[in-house]
Amino acid sequence: GDSVTQMEGPVTLSEEAFLTINCTYTATGYPSLFWYVQYPGEGLQLLLKATKADDKGSNKGFEATYRKETTSFHLEKGSVQVSDSAVYFCALSDEIKAAGNKLTFGGGTRVLVKP
Amino acid sequence: DAGVIQSPRHEVTEMGQEVTLRCKPISGHDYLFWYRQTMMRGLELLIYFNNNVPIDDSGMPEDRFSAKMPNASFSTLKIQPSEPRDSAVYFCASSLGGGNQPQHFGDGTRLSIL
Repeated sequence: GDSVTQMEGPVTLSEEAFLTINCTYTATGYPSLFWYVQYPGEGLQLLLKATKADDKGSNKGFEATYRKETTSFHLEKGSVQVSDSAVYFCALSDEIKAAGNKLTFGGGTRVLVKP
Repeated sequence: DAGVIQSPRHEVTEMGQEVTLRCKPISGHDYLFWYRQTMMRGLELLIYFNNNVPIDDSGMPEDRFSAKMPNASFSTLKIQPSEPRDSAVYFCASSLGGGNQPQHFGDGTRLSIL
């Protein structure tokens, strides 16, 4: 079945540091890939997405490139802020099964940015 | 624009009691999802609906859990009887269309069963 694996946290960084969160996936079809972010006490919000190989999703300074050859969708940001402290979830939607728009989530990575 | 609205935000009750969680999806969205989030198991999909019809309930943990969507603007998740291991944050999400369309999450209901 489909699965998403992402690096375990917590990841602790200083402000303005470079952030990378690794995400790899397995899927039987042609998935779309997503990063969601969860701030304390809130639900998940879509951060960015990519729907086909070599697409780059970007938003709020975050980027991720859909790498089919390595089945990866790593999240990066060049200079983090304290406000980026949150839990980040990688997810996929398998197009073959997408009649249901069912997402498969990774376990989440907690990021803490210190001033 | 109003997002997904869940109620209550917090619920504390004793084991054996019936618990009902409520969700109002974004107007016009045709998919609705119920998730459970715990430290041990992460984020789990319990059930989802398309046009008010349950499509996949394979994630519902057992018969004590039931979900309904009587109309396009309202859904409930019921636990009867509740047990301490049901303590978690329960999220509702909705989306417009399938495939790669994003899901919009509510702020969740934090449920504590004593």
